[in-house]
Amino acid sequence: GQQLNQSPQSMFIQEGEDVSMNCTSSSIFNTWLWYKQDPGEGPVLLIALYKAGELTSNGRLTAQFGITRKDSFLNISASIPSDVGIYFCAGPPNTGNQFYFGTGTSLTVIP
Amino acid sequence: NAGVTQTPKFQVLKTGQSMTLQCAQDMNHEYMSWYRQDPGMGLRLIHYSVGAGITDQGEVPNGYNVSRSTTEDFPLRLLSAAPSQTSVYFCASSNGNYNEQFFGPGTRLTVL
Repeated sequence: GQQLNQSPQSMFIQEGEDVSMNCTSSSIFNTWLWYKQDPGEGPVLLIALYKAGELTSNGRLTAQFGITRKDSFLNISASIPSDVGIYFCAGPPNTGNQFYFGTGTSLTVIP
Repeated sequence: NAGVTQTPKFQVLKTGQSMTLQCAQDMNHEYMSWYRQDPGMGLRLIHYSVGAGITDQGEVPNGYNVSRSTTEDFPLRLLSAAPSQTSVYFCASSNGNYNEQFFGPGTRLTVL
């Protein structure tokens, strides 16, 4: 099946630092979605990207749809303690009706 | 709107038992799906449905059955539970597989 690889797998950063993470796939995706999951909860959508090259922001979060359509990037600026959680990339490949999630990046913010 | 609801929140089964995980949404979404999440892993698609009466297999369908008789409901059935099915199960719905999926709170299942 499809594999979405995220890196890094985990990050430990100081409050106020910027964070960068990325996601790569083996095939072309039509849409890239970034989700955050808090402990014991379901994932919640942060940003949706629908076009190659698209750059979209949501507050301190900025995500980009890679021009090859096989990757995406998420940046968090000036991290705060409530940014702690697991971040997943996700999306449908350009064929079929399935939907895939990445392996996740676990973020810990040290006050 | 209640969004996506799942019941039960927790369940313990013995090997070989059967049960149904319930999922309902009130957003009139056509696309519904079931995922399992194992410790330290992302979500893996079990089954999905693009509308009432239509279901298809996802990445990890073995051991699970689904049906979609209404737009609102999408139950997941375990016919003969196995310890390997111990996991957290999430149901989600959306307007198409290319759009934001809204997730339920999850069902934590343990199979002894």
